[in-house]
Formats: sequence, C-alpha cells, structure tokens
Amino acid sequence: DTGVSQDPRHKITKRGQNVTFRCDPISEHNRLYWYRQTLGQGPEFLTYFQNEAQLEKSRLLSDRFSAERPKGSFSTLEIQRTEQGDSAMYLCASSTSSLRPLHPPLDGYGYTFGSGTRLTVV
Amino acid sequence: DQQVKQNSPSLSVQEGRISILNCDYTNSMFDYFLWYKKYPAEGPTFLISISSIKDKNEDGRFTVFLNKSAKHLSLHIVPSQPGDSAVYFCAASFSNAGGTSYGKLTFGQGTILTVHP
Repeated sequence: DTGVSQDPRHKITKRGQNVTFRCDPISEHNRLYWYRQTLGQGPEFLTYFQNEAQLEKSRLLSDRFSAERPKGSFSTLEIQRTEQGDSAMYLCASSTSSLRPLHPPLDGYGYTFGSGTRLTVV
Repeated sequence: DQQVKQNSPSLSVQEGRISILNCDYTNSMFDYFLWYKKYPAEGPTFLISISSIKDKNEDGRFTVFLNKSAKHLSLHIVPSQPGDSAVYFCAASFSNAGGTSYGKLTFGQGTILTVHP
C-alpha cells in the first residue's frame, strides 16, 4: 500500500465551474477525512466518513460542497459553482478507529494524509 | 474561535541545538494530541502523539510534553538537524463516549522551523 492518494494534484478552474477531487485511502483504514488548508493556516476539518457513512460535516462545508464515499473505499469531493474563495489545498486523510480506550495508540491511529489537491479558481 | 494556537509563526535554530515548538489549546475536552511535519507541496506527515493520560512521550530525537493544567504542549527536537526544517503543526482530538477516536483533528496555525547548518 503506497499511502493515501489524491487526484489531481493541481486544478485550475474558472469561477462558476464545478470541480471534483478523488481520494484513495489506505486500504485497511475505515475512516476517511477531508480538510482544507489556506496559506498560513493549519488544515481545517471539512467532513469525515466511517466506512460509507458520512458522520460529520463542518459549518465550513457550504451546500456547494458535497462528499461521497459510496462503497466505503475511495471518496470524492465536489465543489459546485466555484468561487475565488474556494482556492486552497484540499487534503484527504485516512485512519483506523481505536476500540481500546485505555490504551490510545502512539501512532496517531495511523492518521495519514495525502499530498493534497491544489485548487486555483480564476 | 481558535481552539488550538501556535503563537510562534517561526523559529530559527542552529544545527545540533534543541528546537522547542509550543502549542496551547482552550478546549478541555481534548484528550489526544498529535504533531505533524509538513514540507511544501506535500501533505502533513505524522511525527508523534500523546494521550492525556501521559505527560511525556519520547520517540528518538522527538519528545512531546503535555501540561494539562496549563493546556499546553511542546515538541522538543534534540539534536536539531537541517532536514528538520519544515512547518510543524500541532493538532488535537477527543474521544467519543465509546472511547473510540473521534477522528476530527483541530490544528494550530503552524510554526516554520529553520535549522541552520
């Protein structure tokens, strides 16, 4: 397994167009997350899935954003009617979940990020 | 509201010396903390983590200290090497009622570490 893969690495689009990004997580990870990072800031949580269920969506995720993970494997993030403010790095991550609350893992639950998709809206 | 803060945007250290990166948090529900390292055009890479049941965790040159009463954690890198130059993020999470990882990470703004030869 080569880690978390994201496609494309870069996307330039005109304002008002729709874009879709794909994320392939580490195969044995049941959780998949989307984050957004702008210049000078840390990653901000957008949404996450456990298997195919979307368990939480951030207030940052407007109704122009939709994420899916139809078979509990890869995920897509679509942005409709893009705006210049959507320009950012979109990061995907995957992890396991722990069933041993008294023994938290020291490996960060294997929380692994992909290299991201850089979106530029012109 | 910024629940996790890294108040130093940058840190410059001589090779071989200690680097100390600091992080403060406001949400007392956080019980699991992680440090990530990020190079340009790459995603963050996990470095080290600590649970709130501990006050110290060590892994090679990296040690994380947690002071729950002060809601403060720090990452020590000893000795620092030029290859450590990167952006460092601290992140926090909390467990749900079932004790499983809540999953969502809240990140600080990052600290740019430069290690000079």
